[in-house]
Amino acid sequence: DQQVKQNSPSLSVQEGRISILNCDYTNSMFDYFLWYKKYPAEGPTFLISISSIKDKNEDGRFTVFLNKSAKHLSLHIVPSQPGDSAVYFCAASARNTGNQFYFGTGTSLTVIP
Amino acid sequence: EPEVTQTPSHQVTQMGQEVILRCVPISNHLYFYWYRQILGQKVEFLVSFYNNEISEKSEIFDDQFSVERPDGSNFTLKIRSTKLEDSAMYFCASSAERGAGDIQYFGAGTRLSVL
Repeated sequence: DQQVKQNSPSLSVQEGRISILNCDYTNSMFDYFLWYKKYPAEGPTFLISISSIKDKNEDGRFTVFLNKSAKHLSLHIVPSQPGDSAVYFCAASARNTGNQFYFGTGTSLTVIP
Repeated sequence: EPEVTQTPSHQVTQMGQEVILRCVPISNHLYFYWYRQILGQKVEFLVSFYNNEISEKSEIFDDQFSVERPDGSNFTLKIRSTKLEDSAMYFCASSAERGAGDIQYFGAGTRLSVL
């Protein structure tokens, strides 16, 4: 049951360039999406979120784009910094299923200095 | 900054033993969750808890699992008779509100190793 998918297990980007992490979902009832960042030996840390009524949300270097028709969201990090190197999880939830989050399998981002 | 704390960071147990994983959610939060991540797999929802009762649970959360809020600060996950396949990272999370639109804040996790 993979309602949220991150098809790229890893991504390497040069420092200063853009990192684009992708996420696809199958459940059209999802109406809230989040990105979490996770460092080794730490729990997931909230990064940015977007409601289904929007198609873009920006917070500093981080922007999340939502394409509801394609059931796709992406996280853009510009410019990428070495400290951004972590595993990024996409998560989704649906109002009618309460408050559980469905997570993707994660994308490991490496930003090369 | 308020944070969710989990203890222990690593728990080693023998198969068939009971374990209790402990969590202290953020103090003004009302909703509490347990998730687990088996090595190399995705983070999976186990259970959510509100007002001293389970509000949702997944099919993973079978009769071997239970949760409790024994006092005003702790939130525990008990596994009665551990199996090898229970080996995973267990994350506790809490949120101020329920439902889509709220952020869940996660602890650093407890690594459970069942031998």
